Amino acid sequence: NAGVTQTPKFRILKIGQSMTLQCTQDMNHNYMYWYRQDPGMGLKLIYYSVGAGITDKGEVPNGYNVSRSTTEDFPLRLELAAPSQTSVYFCASSRNTYEQYFGPGTRLTVT
Amino acid sequence: QKEVEQDPGPLSVPEGAIVSLNCTYSNSAFQYFMWYRQYSRKGPELLMYTYSSGNKEDGRFTAQVDKSSKYISLFIRDSQPSDSATYLCAMSEGQGGSEKLVFGKGMKLTVNP
Repeated sequence: NAGVTQTPKFRILKIGQSMTLQCTQDMNHNYMYWYRQDPGMGLKLIYYSVGAGITDKGEVPNGYNVSRSTTEDFPLRLELAAPSQTSVYFCASSRNTYEQYFGPGTRLTVT
Repeated sequence: QKEVEQDPGPLSVPEGAIVSLNCTYSNSAFQYFMWYRQYSRKGPELLMYTYSSGNKEDGRFTAQVDKSSKYISLFIRDSQPSDSATYLCAMSEGQGGSEKLVFGKGMKLTVNP
């Protein structure tokens, strides 16, 4: 099993550009999550999903959108990128609400 | 009061030391208590989890939960340089409660050879 995979690993965006961060898991987990991690600030939940077709906002959803059309995929869309969205983004999945497995992360810089 | 509080450190210890990492919390609905380890420039990995109060041991790692005090700990015995990482505590209400984990901010540990 590959576990949770994320692409791209790194990306530099100009202010106002858009992009999609991809996340795929092959563990047949129902729960999927997107976090951002800023230095010294811990992990902040952006969006999560409890199953295909169901998504909900986390702590910091503004400027982001998600969709969950399949169990495996949970892409995160950034519209009109801003410098405040410079961060490391982690996707995670779990079969329950507590054993979350994380991907390797995407490092995003917006300039 | 924040829902989960974790001393951010950093903590530096010599190889072979016993390390104690701690978190406190305020939400009495938490039932599952996790410890994640995150190496530099990597994603967090689940080290171990405990359900409700009590101890759980896995090799050199022991997780302890005291729900009456709302306090959890992770002990690392015979610490090794390979244990150098950031450790995050996390808590969950479990099935029937919130689907979200609440994380501490993480404690950076350095084990010196």
